[in-house]
Amino acid sequence: AQSVTQLGSHVSVSEGALVLLRCNYSSSVPPYLFWYVQYPNQGLQLLLKYTTGATLVKGINGFEAEFKKSETSFHLTKPSAHMSDAAEYFCAVSDGPNTGNQFYFGTGTSLTVIP
Amino acid sequence: DADVTQTPRNRITKTGKRIMLECSQTKGHDRMYWYRQDPGLGLRLIYYSFDVKDINKGEISDGYSVSRQAQAKFSLSLESAIPNQTALYFCATSHGGETYEQYFGPGTRLTVT
Repeated sequence: AQSVTQLGSHVSVSEGALVLLRCNYSSSVPPYLFWYVQYPNQGLQLLLKYTTGATLVKGINGFEAEFKKSETSFHLTKPSAHMSDAAEYFCAVSDGPNTGNQFYFGTGTSLTVIP
Repeated sequence: DADVTQTPRNRITKTGKRIMLECSQTKGHDRMYWYRQDPGLGLRLIYYSFDVKDINKGEISDGYSVSRQAQAKFSLSLESAIPNQTALYFCATSHGGETYEQYFGPGTRLTVT
């Protein structure tokens, strides 16, 4: 089975500062990688995904992530944090459609943005 | 209207009661999933279904059962609820083809007293 590790269950940044949320995975096959965001009292919304091709992927709300196979990492970044970025972020890995698109989620990182 | 809906959104029930959580989708996806979310544990897969005739156990299926009544409907049942089933439950869907992401419903907050 896959596993996902998100370092730091809570991250605080100042408004305008760089956001870096870390995600490492274990996979015996080329993975499909995802970042989701969860705002309070809401479901999960897809931020971005890596399936094939370019290893630097851009998502919504100014977020991006880079797939680094040698480091088995898929860290999420945003150059300048905004107050509206405060939310819970989940990294997920999948083997894709051949295994029913089963996702394995990390335990989440709660992002606080300080004014 | 939302593409993936869940009912009820909130439910408080007593230990030993049977409860059903319902999920409907208008996305036309074949694959549907049930997860539970607990603080500090992320999301864990309970059951998933490739289509109406194909249902599979996930990581934590004990104490739960599911029914895929139609392509668009996937229900989760707790036959005899217990307090440690108190959690936030999410339904999700995905297409079986080139698009891999899952689309999530708004969640059902279940409390078992």
